[in-house]
Amino acid sequence: GNSVTQMEGPVTLSEEAFLTINCTYTATGYPSLFWYVQYPGEGLQLLLKATKADDKGSNKGFEATYRKETTSFHLEKGSVQVSDSAVYFCALSDGWGGGNKLTFGTGTQLKVEL
Amino acid sequence: ETGVTQTPRHLVMGMTNKKSLKCEQHLGHNAMYWYKQSAKKPLELMFVYNFKEQTENNSVPSRFSPECPNSSHLFLHLHTLQPEDSALYLCASSQRSERGNEQFFGPGTRLTVL
Repeated sequence: GNSVTQMEGPVTLSEEAFLTINCTYTATGYPSLFWYVQYPGEGLQLLLKATKADDKGSNKGFEATYRKETTSFHLEKGSVQVSDSAVYFCALSDGWGGGNKLTFGTGTQLKVEL
Repeated sequence: ETGVTQTPRHLVMGMTNKKSLKCEQHLGHNAMYWYKQSAKKPLELMFVYNFKEQTENNSVPSRFSPECPNSSHLFLHLHTLQPEDSALYLCASSQRSERGNEQFFGPGTRLTVL
């Protein structure tokens, strides 16, 4: 079956530090990959996505590259801000093969301090 | 209204009450989902509806009863809940596709069972 593994949190960084949140996956087909962000008291928001190998998704300074050879989709940002404090979820969907469902990682909490 | 809306945003109920959660999507999608998010636990998929037909029930207790009258509306009827059912209930929608698409989430209903 499908699975997503994320690094354990919380991750605590100083403002302007470099961020990496690791994500690896297992899938039977050729999945699309996503990063979602959840701010306190809110639902999940799509942050970025990639639908095929070597695609790079990017949004709001965050980037992630679909690496088929290492089955990874690590999230990076060059300079984090306090407003980036949230929980980040990696997810995959392999379309018809997976019933169009999303398989989520457990989430990584990010805390950014001044 | 745009995106996915959920009402109410907060709900407190006793164990003998009956209440309903409502979700509406304004995106023209053909699939809708209910998730449960509890503290310190992974996101749990509860129900999946495709074209108004329920296609998945992940061993959810019968005290949770979903209803999907059309492709834009989804309800979760609650009765005789337990305190451990207290959680954030998230609704999502997507457009089904061969490769899998992202889901769009509502803000959630924070449920407290006394």
